[in-house]
Amino acid sequence: EVQLVESGGGLAQPGGSLRLSCAASGFTFSSYEMNWVRQAPGKGLEWVSYSYSSGSPKYYVDSVKGRFTISRDNAKNSLYLQMNSLRAEDTAVYYCARENLSTGDAFDIWGEGTMVTVSS
Amino acid sequence: DIQLTQSPSSLSASVGDRVTITCRASQTISSYLNWYQQKPGKAPKLLIYAASSLQSGVPSRFSGSGSGTDFTLTISSLQPEDFATYYCQQSYSAPPERTFGQGTKVEIK
Repeated sequence: EVQLVESGGGLAQPGGSLRLSCAASGFTFSSYEMNWVRQAPGKGLEWVSYSYSSGSPKYYVDSVKGRFTISRDNAKNSLYLQMNSLRAEDTAVYYCARENLSTGDAFDIWGEGTMVTVSS
Repeated sequence: DIQLTQSPSSLSASVGDRVTITCRASQTISSYLNWYQQKPGKAPKLLIYAASSLQSGVPSRFSGSGSGTDFTLTISSLQPEDFATYYCQQSYSAPPERTFGQGTKVEIK
């Protein structure tokens, strides 16, 4: 079964750090671009970051540039999001999503999400 | 940056109704427009990709159309399980900034 499973969410203080993980299974992870998408409570979807299949290049939404770092370990079939200098406005459910060239670069597989709460 | 504007932001409809949601891009995106359905507490689900291609397993009552800057998602006969929030997304940008529309909530009338 094709699957993505996120972990690593939780409560962090403003200015703190968290590292999210996304474990992939059921497909050749190293062949796909991957993304992080977040959703603040009661709000819409916001694209956060993109990783090419090899790990580079990487792109970010302006609001997280310089604070978040996307990375991947293709040998471990895993995607990561290192989040530093966290702010209250980073509070959201974070989803990892597979981008599929055969569906016009749409996100065809999503994880169930992991909640990040930034609060003192 | 490419902006996507959905309309309406919400709508009330009855089972069996034909529902249409529109998405307008701030610049041309060819046919690189995707539609997702999200139910409360769940991850989004891909419905339509490349403006009009139905994702595998998605019921045929869902359809998409458009190109350039104006796009439409149509549900031909609304079913109880279709009450959800729908998002458009563009996959045209290079470098890839995969913008989403603000969402359209479809509620029961």
